[in-house]
This record gives sequence, C-alpha cells and structure tokens, in this order.
Amino acid sequence: QQQVKQSPQSLIVQKGGISIINCAYENTAFDYFPWYQQFPGKGPALLIAIRPDVSEKKEGRFTISFNKSAKQFSLHIMDSQPGDSATYFCAASFTGTASKLTFGTGTRLQVTL
Amino acid sequence: GAVVSQHPSWVICKSGTSVKIECRSLDFQATTMFWYRQFPKQSLMLMATSNEGSKATYEQGVEKDKFLINHASLTLSTLTVTSAHPEDSSFYICSAGRGGEKLFFGSGTQLSVL
Repeated sequence: QQQVKQSPQSLIVQKGGISIINCAYENTAFDYFPWYQQFPGKGPALLIAIRPDVSEKKEGRFTISFNKSAKQFSLHIMDSQPGDSATYFCAASFTGTASKLTFGTGTRLQVTL
Repeated sequence: GAVVSQHPSWVICKSGTSVKIECRSLDFQATTMFWYRQFPKQSLMLMATSNEGSKATYEQGVEKDKFLINHASLTLSTLTVTSAHPEDSSFYICSAGRGGEKLFFGSGTQLSVL
C-alpha cells in the first residue's frame, strides 16, 4: 500500500532529447507527488511537485503528467542537457503537516553529447 | 528556497567510536525533521522522524539505541551513531519541513567506519 514503483532504473538520452521517467503508486490517499534530483554525494533537491487535482504541471523544461485513475505520474525533461545527468526520485506523501515521503527506487539519467 | 545545512559532509572514524551529525534549518523553523540512510545506487531509506521537544519515532528495524536523535530546538536536530561499525558506513541525509508538505534536504554526510 505504501510502495511507489519507478521505472526505468537507468536511462540514456542524447542532448536535446526528451527524458521520461515513470512512477506508479498504490495508496490512493497520497495527495502530494514531488520529484527530486540528486547529484552524486549530494542530498536530493526538490525539482517539481504536483497534486492530484491537476493533470499536468510545467516548470521550465520539466513537466509532470498525472493520471489519477491509473495511479501513475511521470516526469518529462524536455531538451535534456548533460547537466541534467543525475539520479531522479519520485515520491509521494500526504499534504498537511510535513509528512513522510515514500520514495521511488530512483532513475539514473545520463545525457550524452 | 529554504536552506537545510548538514554537517559534516564526510567523516571517517574508527570502529567503536561515536559520530554526531548535525542538521540545521537556516532560514526557517523546522517542526519536523527526518533522517534517512542511503546506500550506493539505492533509494533513501527513512530511519526516523524527529519532532522538536519530543522523542523521535523510529522506523521498523532501526535501532534507536544505536542511532540517537535529538531535536532540541526548532532549527537543530542531531543524529549520533553510537559505537559505529563498518556496516554503519553509509550516506546519511536529513530533511526538514516547516509545516507544509514540502521537505528540504541537507547535503548529506558520508560516514566511513574503519
């Protein structure tokens, strides 16, 4: 019930291409879905987040698509750049007072020249 | 954005010694802080939830006597790894919330126990 499944485990994309990472959750009570970016040896940084009352949210080159009925959400990175090479984690939690995040297993993205 | 400072960023210690890691919220008061552990190429594993002025809540399987958490103020939480052993070597990360659902992460501490 608390799992968040993430795929793919790793992804190689050419510079300028679109990177797509998918997540699926089980607990329908989750109502906050953030994506984090983590560089080696650093803590995760919040990239973008969405709530289930919207189907899409865009911030710059990053877009979250959300499908409530399918219990799935995905991160799209447009015009991928070598600087985007990092590990990306999706997560889910409940809104309100700071709540525990349930993390996906992570996707290692490599953007090649 | 909110800043969470974690210190030290790396530490090497001998087996049997204790190590303290600090997590500070620099520009906001953190009602709740979380401590995570991350092994290479793996996801973050929540160890415990720390609330200011009360005892930490540990996740199942985490030894509370080994991983001591103190959240004495709204801006500081500490994790002490007591009697550290090589198997405790890992990347430890804290995060802090200021009342909403957003969590802000520290930069992590790489612990190596020899």
